[in-house]
Formats: sequence, C-alpha cells, structure tokens
Amino acid sequence: RKEVEQDPGPFNVPEGATVAFNCTYSNSASQSFFWYRQDCRKEPKLLMSVYSSGNEDGRFTAQLNRASQYISLLIRDSKLSDSATYLCVVGPGGYQKVTFGTGTKLQVIP
Amino acid sequence: NAGVTQTPKFQVLKTGQSMTLQCAQDMNHEYMSWYRQDPGMGLRLIHYSVGAGITDQGEVPNGYNVSRSTTEDFPLRLLSAAPSQTSVYFCASSSRLGGSYNEQFFGPGTRLTVL
Repeated sequence: RKEVEQDPGPFNVPEGATVAFNCTYSNSASQSFFWYRQDCRKEPKLLMSVYSSGNEDGRFTAQLNRASQYISLLIRDSKLSDSATYLCVVGPGGYQKVTFGTGTKLQVIP
Repeated sequence: NAGVTQTPKFQVLKTGQSMTLQCAQDMNHEYMSWYRQDPGMGLRLIHYSVGAGITDQGEVPNGYNVSRSTTEDFPLRLLSAAPSQTSVYFCASSSRLGGSYNEQFFGPGTRLTVL
C-alpha cells in the first residue's frame, strides 16, 4: 500500500459546482496534514493546513479523519481559477520523511 | 527573507556530465528535501535531510548524491547525467512543528535537460 494515495482524476466540473477530494494515508503515527495546490510547471504552494477539528478558509474546507486515516478537501462554488492539481501532504511523527500524494487534477469548465 | 532559492533555473547537460544543483534557505529550517517531477507526473522524493549532517534516501535516490554541511544549504549532485534524469527539480524546506513538520516551502525549481 502506498504511504499516501489520491485519486489522480481528472475531475472535470462546471463553474459553481462543489467538488471533494480524498486522500488516504497508511502511517497511523502521522501528525501533520496539508493540502497544496500546484499550477502547471510551477512549484507547489500551501493551500491550507488540516486540523483535527476541521477547518475552513473561504470556499475551501479541510477535514481529518484519524480513525479511517484520510483527509479531505471540499471546494464550493468552483471558479475557473481553481483549475490546478491538488496535492495532499502528510507529515510524520518523529524525524521521518514528509510524504506527498501524487495529486488530483481539477479542471473547472465554463 | 529570500525563502528557498534554487540555482540554476535552467540547465542543459550532455550524457555523462556531472553537475550540482544548488538549494539554499534563510528561514533556519531543519528539514530540507529534493524532489523531481517528470511531465504529467507527481513529485518523487530523491533525498531528504532532517538537520545538518543528516541525510537519507527517498524513493528515487540512484544517480544523485546530497550533503548537508550547514542548516542553510542542501546541494544535489548528479554524478553522471543520463537522459532519464531530464526533469524539473524542486527543493523544499520546513521547520519543526511539535513532533512533526510545518508546511513545506518550495523553491522555483530547476529545469534540467540531459541530451
């Protein structure tokens, strides 16, 4: 089993739609969780951290389910500018490596 | 703060040549890492370091060496370039957060072509 798994997509959704991505992780000792956004051929940039109680930033909501070992990202009222690849990132406990998922591609269609 | 800087931005090598990709951060981050990203693919971890003097292999370490003599710098050496190493290389760093790591800050990348 991969350490971090994401559905690669692509997810093609119309403007204004709500879309959700899930990401599962295998290491139950993982302690920090993030969602990143990557535009074509650019460096990934932090979208939001994921907290145990769930958190929201405008149209974006992130949740963590430790029991089932997954994190989720919900995007409401999709904009054309949301088209990108979304990467989930899992930080280990201790001094192990940080692990990136392979990313889910989102295309928002006019 | 310059954040994470990478040099060069673009590089063309011939098969068999060696070179060093530079990465530096001015945020006093303990964790640094190198990734490669091939067209249409995800990030793949090459090497990482949890502090000065400590390095470890990622999932695709073959053909690359690293060292971490200072907190700030984490150079990546290509020993004998091959066409399969044509890729975009990203360096990233992060600080400790409790028992884990904070968000990763990325450099702008080095676009490497091996002929």
